[in-house]
Formats: sequence, C-alpha cells, structure tokens
Amino acid sequence: EIVLTQSPGTLSLSPGERATLSCRASQSVHNTYLAWYQHKSGQPPKLLIHGVSSRATGIPDRFSGSGSGTEFTLTISRLEPEDSAAYYCQFNGGSFGPGTKVEVK
Amino acid sequence: EVQLLESGGTLVQPGGSLRLSCAASGFTFRDYWMSWSRQTPGKGLEWVANINSGGYKQDYVDSLEGRFTISRDNAKNSVYLQMNSLTVEDTAIYYCARSGVPGAFDYWGQGLLVTVSS
Repeated sequence: EIVLTQSPGTLSLSPGERATLSCRASQSVHNTYLAWYQHKSGQPPKLLIHGVSSRATGIPDRFSGSGSGTEFTLTISRLEPEDSAAYYCQFNGGSFGPGTKVEVK
Repeated sequence: EVQLLESGGTLVQPGGSLRLSCAASGFTFRDYWMSWSRQTPGKGLEWVANINSGGYKQDYVDSLEGRFTISRDNAKNSVYLQMNSLTVEDTAIYYCARSGVPGAFDYWGQGLLVTVSS
C-alpha cells in the first residue's frame, strides 16, 4: 500500500505570492494516477489536477502539477485570497495524503 | 449537469448500523466507477471505498476491517454505503464521488453528516 505524506502542514503567504506544496509517496509511483484537490470548509472537495499535471475542467492555469517517481508538487502561482483552503494529494483513486493548509492573507 | 445527492445521514448509537445512499443524475451512471470518502472532525479527507461500473469489484480502506460495504444499483442510478458496528470514530461528513478521470474523483456530492453518539 502506498502511503502519501504532504509538506508543509501549513503555509501562510500573501496575495500574489507563489505556493509550492509537496506530496511524497512511500514507494515509486509507476503510473500517473496522482491527483490534487482543494477543500474549503462547508464545501465538497474540488478536483484541481489529475494525472500528475492535467488541470481539471474550469481550473485556472495558476494551478499546476508536476513530479514523478515519489515526489510530486502542486504549484499555485499568484495566490488569491480565495485560494485559502486545505489541499490534498491522492494516488490512484485511493488514500489521500494528510493535507496542507494554505492561508492567504 | 452532473449531480450527486447523498441521503441517509443521521444520529446513530455506537454499535448501530446505517445505510447511506447517493442518487446520481446528469450522466450515464453505469459507465463510471463510484466512491465514498469522509472527513472526520478536525481531520483530513479519508477515502473509504470504491466500486467499479458493473458493481462486481469493490476496494476498501484497510482500517474499516470489513465493517462497511459499498454497492450500487445501476437501474436506480444509485450507490450505497452500508455501515455496521459504528463507533464514535466513524462520526464524519460522508461524500460520494464519481471517478470520471483515471484515478481521480471529478464530481462530488455536497456531503452528509453522520454522528455516532450515545
């Protein structure tokens, strides 16, 4: 079973800055089924990225995904206040990582 | 428009059982894998179970120890989660979701609160 870890646990940044979120897998991921979600309180999670780097429908190009093997990254360029949320990575439609909380203020 | 509507959430005593339902519309239900995930209070997301499009293959998170069962009825465009031997640790918001892209969930229901308490 692949276990995902995420870092940092919390990220506090200002509007306009770049956020770099890390997701590490316990063993090398040989397929490309790595996804990222944004989750705001009181709302269902929203798919941002699937297949490591493909943006989901309607997701702005400020959000980008990259990585391979055991190291994956979600980058949010030009942060906006509405990007404040928890972000989770997920492998192959299974377990999620523990999440990174992003605060934009 | 894709819609997923969960129902069946409520307050249940420890040791009790509950069946959650998720009614799907706006897409050809029988063509898609479906899933259940949950968010426990103050914690992150936890994937619970998946079921394939035909309903004959299910996957579960190991920690459930066989207490939950996912099923579907393609004639009714619905997916279900039967939860038995509930504990306070099962208190959570439960979400059903569609797996519309490989390895990811592209549409989610609004979520359903299940509270396990005496």
